[in-house]
Amino acid sequence: AQSVAQPEDQVNVAEGNPLTVKCTYSVSGNPYLFWYVQYPNRGLQFLLKYITGDNLVKGSYGFEAEFNKSQTSFHLKKPSALVSDSALYFCAVSEYGNNRLAFGKGNQVVVIP
Amino acid sequence: DAGVIQSPRHEVTEMGQEVTLRCKPISGHNSLFWYRQTMMRGLELLIYFNNNVPIDDSGMPEDRFSAKMPNASFSTLKIQPSEPRDSAVYFCASRPGLAGGYQETQYFGPGTRLLVL
Repeated sequence: AQSVAQPEDQVNVAEGNPLTVKCTYSVSGNPYLFWYVQYPNRGLQFLLKYITGDNLVKGSYGFEAEFNKSQTSFHLKKPSALVSDSALYFCAVSEYGNNRLAFGKGNQVVVIP
Repeated sequence: DAGVIQSPRHEVTEMGQEVTLRCKPISGHNSLFWYRQTMMRGLELLIYFNNNVPIDDSGMPEDRFSAKMPNASFSTLKIQPSEPRDSAVYFCASRPGLAGGYQETQYFGPGTRLLVL
C-alpha cells in the first residue's frame, strides 16, 4: 500500500527566507503526488500535484515542488516565505488503480516575522 | 461553484446521542470521501463512494458509524450512539471522474467540528 512520510513535525523559518517542507513516499508503481495546505479551522486546500512530465511543478501562492524518483521525494518549496504561509502542510500520494489518497501526518510551518 | 458544503460546521452533543453530518459535493463530481482528523491520528479516510456506491469502508471505526449517499448531491455520516472519543473534525471531499481518479485532485469541505461530552 502507498504511504507518505513527513519527517519533521514543525518547520520554523524567518520571513523572506526560503521555505522547504520535506516529503518522501512509497508506492508499488508510479506515484501521483499532491500537496495540500490547511489554515486554522479550515479545510484542506489544494496547492499542486505531480502526475507526469516535468519534475518541477508550480502551484498556488508561489509554491513549487520537485519530484525526485531516485530519492522517492516530493519536497515543497517557496523561495521567500511570508508570515501568511504559516499553516499545516500535507503531502499525499496515490498510485495507478488505487483511488485512495494516502496522507502524511502533516508539517506545521511557522514563519517568524 | 460553491465548493464542497458541509453542515453543521460545529456540533456539540452528549454521549449516547445520534449525530448526523451532511455533505454536498461539487456538482459533477463522481467520487466522495469522508475523513476524520484528530491530533493523535492525523487525517484518516473513513469511507469513499463512487457514483453514490460505497467502495471502501474499511476505515469506518465500528458499527456505530454509518454513511449513505442517496444521490449524487448529498451524503451523510451518522454516529449512533456517539462517544467522547468520536470528538474530531470530520471532512468531506469530492473528486471529478472515475477513470484515472487516482490522478485527480480531491477538493475538501470546511469540515464539521464535533465535540461529544
